Amino acid sequence: GQQLNQSPQSMFIQEGEDVSMNCTSSSIFNTWLWYKQDPGEGPVLLIALYKAGELTSNGRLTAQFGITRKDSFLNISASIPSDVGIYFCAGQSYNTDKLIFGTGTRLQVFP
Amino acid sequence: EAGVAQSPRYKIIEKRQSVAFWCNPISGHATLYWYQQILGQGPKLLIQFQNNGVVDDSQLPKDRFSAERLKGVDSTLKIQPAKLEDSAVYLCASSFTGGAVGYTFGSGTRLTVV
Repeated sequence: GQQLNQSPQSMFIQEGEDVSMNCTSSSIFNTWLWYKQDPGEGPVLLIALYKAGELTSNGRLTAQFGITRKDSFLNISASIPSDVGIYFCAGQSYNTDKLIFGTGTRLQVFP
Repeated sequence: EAGVAQSPRYKIIEKRQSVAFWCNPISGHATLYWYQQILGQGPKLLIQFQNNGVVDDSQLPKDRFSAERLKGVDSTLKIQPAKLEDSAVYLCASSFTGGAVGYTFGSGTRLTVV
């Protein structure tokens, strides 16, 4: 099945640093979402984007819906230890509930 | 509100055995999804129910996987017979009206096939 390409695959950063990750697709999506998954848990929604070019923030997180509708970006500012986890992008096409997930970005934050 | 409940949390079986997973969605959520998450990958949709009817099962390997949602509440996912490549976390999610923003995922069942 289709999966979206996320990069980087993993990141090792120091507490306080900013983080950027992106997600690309060969298909157009109507909705882009960003999830965080902690070990042993299901994904938890962080941000949802509904419109090409949209820029949305949730605390220290900022995400953008790419103009082409084939990509999205997530930035985390001033990282803290609890940001550790795997971040997934997901796309949703018009008229379906099905989510297509990315390959994930594993984030490690060192004090 | 209580979250999506799944059981068991872990299961180890031998190949060719059968296994079943159970999901209890959030009360009132009409839409229920089963996703398969292989280690190192994102979740992939296996099947979507709207009440007790199947909306999308195009990615479900129907020769060995089956799922049901009797009475439109709880759901079970079964694998028979299991293969080594079925080792994965099986995530259940539910939503009230459908649409991605309303998804709530359960903690999943981690299956290991040896």
